[in-house]
Amino acid sequence: GQNIDQPTEMTATEGAIVQINCTYQTSGFNGLFWYQQHAGEAPTFLSYNVLDGLEEKGRFSSFLSRSKGYSYLLLKELQMKDSASYLCAAHYNTNAGKSTFGDGTTLTVKP
Amino acid sequence: DADVTQTPRNRITKTGKRIMLECSQTKGHDRMYWYRQDPGLGLQLIYYSFDVKDINKGEISDGYSVSRQAQAKFSLSLESAIPNQTALYFCATSEGSYNEQFFGPGTRLTVL
Repeated sequence: GQNIDQPTEMTATEGAIVQINCTYQTSGFNGLFWYQQHAGEAPTFLSYNVLDGLEEKGRFSSFLSRSKGYSYLLLKELQMKDSASYLCAAHYNTNAGKSTFGDGTTLTVKP
Repeated sequence: DADVTQTPRNRITKTGKRIMLECSQTKGHDRMYWYRQDPGLGLQLIYYSFDVKDINKGEISDGYSVSRQAQAKFSLSLESAIPNQTALYFCATSEGSYNEQFFGPGTRLTVL
């Protein structure tokens, strides 16, 4: 299988930094997507990492370590609107080009 | 106008009824997907299509069927709905395997 593991829930304070981790199986791995999903809404794309290292996009950054089967999403200067579920999805070349989604991490930002 | 649309947005039906959920896209993508999402869980792939003549089963295809009527349209049918098919259903498109997916707004289906 291609199990994707991420924490179920996290809580952080407005203005703080939070790191959401995701681990995946490395065999046949191509790249790692992160999506944001507000309650009852559609997921929206945040980032796609293929190479090792950190990619920064404004307040959001995503990191990948291919050898460790590990990624994280880093959210800085948290705002109340960042309260959402964050889904990581691993893309495998052995999976007919499909992505396998984790169950998501529900982030609650408190004042 | 939204790039990926789904109809209906909400549907309540009874056990044993046949239901069709429709998805249309204006992004010009060849790849289309149907997912279901249960509360607190991630997205489970039901069916996917890489072009009009290519239909493939996903992780949880039992009890579902699909039709790709055109590049822009991909429909999901529940032949005989059952209560454990109550879920939020999303359609998505992508340009290719290495590209992000664009999701429709979802259809909330309740089977009584």
